[in-house]
Amino acid sequence: QLHLQESGPGLVKPSETLSLACNVSGVSISTSSHFWGWIRRPPGKGLEWVGQIHQSGNTYYNPSLSSRVTISVDTSKNQFSLKLASVTAADTAVYYCARKLPGAFDIWGRGTRVIVSA
Amino acid sequence: SYELTQPPSVSVSAGQTASISCSGNRLGDKFVRWYQVKPDQPPLLVMDEDKKRPSGIPERFSGSTSGNTATLAIRGTQTIDEADYFCQVWDSNTVVFGGGTLLTVL
Repeated sequence: QLHLQESGPGLVKPSETLSLACNVSGVSISTSSHFWGWIRRPPGKGLEWVGQIHQSGNTYYNPSLSSRVTISVDTSKNQFSLKLASVTAADTAVYYCARKLPGAFDIWGRGTRVIVSA
Repeated sequence: SYELTQPPSVSVSAGQTASISCSGNRLGDKFVRWYQVKPDQPPLLVMDEDKKRPSGIPERFSGSTSGNTATLAIRGTQTIDEADYFCQVWDSNTVVFGGGTLLTVL
């Protein structure tokens, strides 16, 4: 059964880089034809797509975040990662990783709360 | 950038049908997905490709599109259906979510 689990610091200082990992179990990323994505939800707001990656390395990013976002995949660890640089309080959110079918995100992690504060 | 518009809130009496709309330019040319989000839970895909129910989603959930508007309908609404609902499309190599609709079951 496919399972995704986010991990990373829950507190990040302003101007620093937020780094999260998503561990995938139950399927091998290296042989999967799917994309793997990051989505976030700031407190009191809606869902915001951050970006997604294919095991081939092909990536798509939210244009509003693209200058600060890097998503990478580590097939040896069967995980993919998110780095968001120069964070501000506006980046405070619950961050989810998810598997993306051709159109929809069908399997999600439980989410990890990240607060940006000094 | 592409935008999807949803009503901020919808209220429905228990047992009645709730309808949540999602509108966007040329929306009929795209597949619409719907997610249910409850407090402290990850989003749950409740409708794929406009009107396909994923495995495990009750039959009382249905989807439709007409022109530039997609609609998620929940027949015989129950208190467990209280949640935020988000529509989503893929446009110009980006994922776009609607602003979300809070469904309240009275």
